[in-house]
Amino acid sequence: GAVVSQHPSRVICKSGTSVKIECRSLDFQATTMFWYRQFPKQSLMLMATSNEGSKATYEQGVEKDKFLINHASLTLSTLTVTSAHPEDSSFYICSARSAGGQEKLFFGSGTQLSVL
Amino acid sequence: GENVEQHPSTLSVQEGDSAVIKCTYSDSASNYFPWYKQELGKGPQLIIDIRSNVGEKKDQRIAVTLNKTAKHFSLHITETQPEDSAVYFCAASAQPQAGTALIFGKGTTLSVSS
Repeated sequence: GAVVSQHPSRVICKSGTSVKIECRSLDFQATTMFWYRQFPKQSLMLMATSNEGSKATYEQGVEKDKFLINHASLTLSTLTVTSAHPEDSSFYICSARSAGGQEKLFFGSGTQLSVL
Repeated sequence: GENVEQHPSTLSVQEGDSAVIKCTYSDSASNYFPWYKQELGKGPQLIIDIRSNVGEKKDQRIAVTLNKTAKHFSLHITETQPEDSAVYFCAASAQPQAGTALIFGKGTTLSVSS
């Protein structure tokens, strides 16, 4: 299957700082990428849909000013958690779907964010 | 919007037994149903998927069945092995080619004991 690279895999930061997470599609172009959040032993909750060259679409309840998403190219999307607080600690996972009307969605390996 | 229910939340089987996980969905427009396996600390891995124009699909020890009328689909794993132990998620999507996101079930923790 297609490869989606996500990093960092783990980050620990102080409260009030910002953290950037990168998601790259390595062997395909992704016009659409999705960002999910997962709490321990829970399901994946969609945060936002990222379309290359346009503004991201955020799910209800997700603060767009806190979770900044940029999808500047067909192979890279970034999620920046601004002014992080302990409640933002979670497992963040990106996913990408190949351009050209493909259905299959491939996931990155996830980023465990811990805010102290 | 779409809502996906998944059962059971935990499933324990003996090595060699079969395991079945069931999901229901609410949106009749959903037409794509993948299953993912997630190991601890890793991202989900696509293991099998099915489209609404197909009733059953099989890949070695894994099979998925779909009942569009009842709006439910199931994952079947035969001859389970300890390495099958993981969390399994079902998902549904309408018009995935158009960029619609997947909506996930709550997951099933499968434990296979040897």
